[in-house]
Amino acid sequence: KAGVTQTPRYLIKTRGQQVTLSCSPISGHRSVSWYQQTPGQGLQFLFEYFSETQRNKGNFPGRFSGRQFSNSRSEMNVSTLELGDSALYLCASSTLTGEYAEAFFGQGTRLTVV
Amino acid sequence: AQSVAQPEDQVNVAEGNPLTVKCTYSVSGNPYLFWYVQYPNRGLQFLLKYITGDNLVKGSYGFEAEFNKSQTSFHLKKPSALVSDSALYFCAVRDREAAGNKLTFGGGTRVLVKP
Repeated sequence: KAGVTQTPRYLIKTRGQQVTLSCSPISGHRSVSWYQQTPGQGLQFLFEYFSETQRNKGNFPGRFSGRQFSNSRSEMNVSTLELGDSALYLCASSTLTGEYAEAFFGQGTRLTVV
Repeated sequence: AQSVAQPEDQVNVAEGNPLTVKCTYSVSGNPYLFWYVQYPNRGLQFLLKYITGDNLVKGSYGFEAEFNKSQTSFHLKKPSALVSDSALYFCAVRDREAAGNKLTFGGGTRVLVKP
């Protein structure tokens, strides 16, 4: 069974640009969550999508947005990039049943803003 | 609001010795608790979870964790550490009464196992 796939693995962008990251969940998983990992702030929750609807949202500015498609694949977008957006962005998927089901993480996208 | 504390930034242990990584949590309701491990330049790998029932939970790679409701703790343990256990460990909590799959993570504990 394939794991969570995130593309691209590495990305370098310039301040002010926008970026789109992609996540393909494990087959059958309908919940997709996004996290930002930085050395200073640790792992922070961005948002969660379930059946194409945003179910939870973390405390990030509106520049961070996401969406989920009918096949459960998800994208997150960051507009007007700032240096502080440099981070490892992790996507996680979970099963439909059981709110307690563990989340499976992808390898992440390393975003560097210069 | 929910929160997780991992009081030790780093834990050093000799190979073959017991390993303990501490975690305390705070949630308004009852918790689901998780441990994850992260190797360099990789995502998080699931180790174990506490949902309900037995307070001692066994997981992957010989790890176990003990849920203590009165102390709101969920410490990770391994009886005999290996050099390959050197990694970054994260404790996470989800509020059982909250909708969705939002995880709140602790700051992480770096484990260094010396030969």
